[in-house]
Amino acid sequence: SQTIHQWPATLVQPVGSPLSLECTVEGTSNPNLYWYRQAAGRGLQLLFYSVGIGQISSEVPQNLSASRPQDRQFILSSKKLLLSDSGFYLCAWRGTVYGYTFGSGTRLTVV
Amino acid sequence: QKEVEQNSGPLSVPEGAIASLNCTYSDRGSQSFFWYRQYSGKSPELIMSIYSNGDKEDGRFTAQLNKASQYVSLLIRDSQPSDSATYLCAVIGSGGYNKLIFGAGTRLAVHP
Repeated sequence: SQTIHQWPATLVQPVGSPLSLECTVEGTSNPNLYWYRQAAGRGLQLLFYSVGIGQISSEVPQNLSASRPQDRQFILSSKKLLLSDSGFYLCAWRGTVYGYTFGSGTRLTVV
Repeated sequence: QKEVEQNSGPLSVPEGAIASLNCTYSDRGSQSFFWYRQYSGKSPELIMSIYSNGDKEDGRFTAQLNKASQYVSLLIRDSQPSDSATYLCAVIGSGGYNKLIFGAGTRLAVHP
């Protein structure tokens, strides 16, 4: 069966520090992968999506970047975090017509 | 205009009642519609998908779609306290790459 892994679960980082969040998918090949962010009390905002290795599309200009070095690996990064980068980061993949499956998420607090 | 709009709530219903959650979307070319449930601090989980006009039932949940009115709804029958959560409406737009666009969510509170 297909599963999606995200880590770490929580992260507290100082302003100006770098960030790397990782997402991996098992049990499928060439999945469409997505990064979302959810600010406190808000809906999910699509940040990046990827339809294949090395292919990244950005939805919102911001302090973040994404990479897809392997077929089932999706990485979200930042060189210097801002306070506004705090939020709940979710990786998702589109496996079937039955919608997207989300990872367990990373709660990032920038202090 | 937001692409997917929901009333933020909270919607408060007594246990055993029907909860009605509504959603409108702006992209007329959208073909796929989803309802997700999100408990506080957790990731969203898919509860219903609907692609054709009309009703789709799954247990206590019924999704309704009206493409002409660009309207999607979710009915929860016999509401239970465990249904208390935020319900997110999501739409795959016509812009390609199957991007799932979410509404801000409606918070549902079911009280005993």
